[in-house]
Amino acid sequence: GIQVEQSPPDLILQEGANSTLRCNFSDSVNNLQWFHQNPWGQLINLFYIPSGTKQNGRLSATTVATERYSLLYISSSQTTDSGVYFCAVERSGGGADGLTFGKGTHLIIQP
Amino acid sequence: NAGVTQTPKFQVLKTGQSMTLQCAQDMNHEYMSWYRQDPGMGLRLIHYSVGAGITDQGEVPNGYNVSRSTTEDFPLRLLSAAPSQTSVYFCASSYGPDSNQPQHFGDGTRLSIL
Repeated sequence: GIQVEQSPPDLILQEGANSTLRCNFSDSVNNLQWFHQNPWGQLINLFYIPSGTKQNGRLSATTVATERYSLLYISSSQTTDSGVYFCAVERSGGGADGLTFGKGTHLIIQP
Repeated sequence: NAGVTQTPKFQVLKTGQSMTLQCAQDMNHEYMSWYRQDPGMGLRLIHYSVGAGITDQGEVPNGYNVSRSTTEDFPLRLLSAAPSQTSVYFCASSYGPDSNQPQHFGDGTRLSIL
């Protein structure tokens, strides 16, 4: 199956800092989503971005499908940004295989 | 908008007991799926359905049964719970593979098997 690798696994930053999270995947995809899992365990869908660039407030994401990677940018971090960030992909032509998740980046924003 | 609704939110079972985790969506999505999340890991696919009456196995199907009698509902059954099934379970729905639309997730069910 498709492999998804996220880096870094852990990241500790001060409030106000910027960060870049990376997701590498091993095959062509027709779906790529970034999620934030908050301390209550809820999965919040941040971006649906199989290719291109999107922005939503302080967050933005870029997927370069031809090079099989995606980046999530968080600017001016706030303590509420803490949690685990997951990248998940659906392989092109994979039928109904569902999403394959990376292991996540655990982000801690300190006040 | 309700989206994807999972019940219960928490459950404790004894080994060997059975139970059903409920999942309902009100977005008229054809594709529904169940994932489990174990500590320190991402989600793994258990079972999925591409429409009413159609189900199939995902990556970790053993110990679980599913059925899809309506478009809205996709229950997950544990016939004889085992401690290895202690996990957080997420239900998801979408318009389907290759639909160019995201998958939507419920809030999860936290299940402990003693």
